[in-house]
Amino acid sequence: SQKIEQNSEALNIQEGKTATLTCNYTNYSPAYLQWYRQDPGRGPVFLLLIRENEKEKRKERLKVTFDTTLKQSLFHITASQPADSATYLCALASGSARQLTFGSGTQLTVLP
Amino acid sequence: DGGITQSPKYLFRKEGQNVTLSCEQNLNHDAMYWYRQDPGQGLRLIYYSQIVNDFQKGDIAEGYSVSREKKESFPLTVTSAQKNPTAFYLCASSSQGATDTQYFGPGTRLTVL
Repeated sequence: SQKIEQNSEALNIQEGKTATLTCNYTNYSPAYLQWYRQDPGRGPVFLLLIRENEKEKRKERLKVTFDTTLKQSLFHITASQPADSATYLCALASGSARQLTFGSGTQLTVLP
Repeated sequence: DGGITQSPKYLFRKEGQNVTLSCEQNLNHDAMYWYRQDPGQGLRLIYYSQIVNDFQKGDIAEGYSVSREKKESFPLTVTSAQKNPTAFYLCASSSQGATDTQYFGPGTRLTVL
């Protein structure tokens, strides 16, 4: 069955360091992979989308990589700040899919 | 002020009662979605609609019903047949479908007493 796994439920890092979050998938051939941020009690907010033919995408302090051979996406936040503390969700869709499939998320805490 | 709204933010219901959650968007999006989120878990798709008067079941549709009579509105009814309805419900919309960015509402937290 299709499965999406995000590394460890919780990740704590020191302010100023780079946070790296992992999204692994099995039995899936996604054409698109998206990352969302979710704060407690609120709806997710879109951050980045990367396509299967793109290796890397950047937006300000954010970077996403997509390795279809390893079936993995890495999400990096450089120069992390306490305001980056949130849960980060990855979501996948195949080219013909009508729906996104979400991972369970990684809760990131940036310590001052 | 464009966006997607959900109401109410908190909802309490007694066991055995049906309840309807509202979702409205003014983004002119064709596709709309309902997700359920339980503590520490990701989003699970309940229903989705890609066009007015048409909708499809998601992964966990049992005990739920929807309608899509207008492009802007996609209400979700949680029926008494839903065995474990207490959860955080999120509505989303996108312009073209699953591969497009989804915009989420603020969510409705439903508690069954």
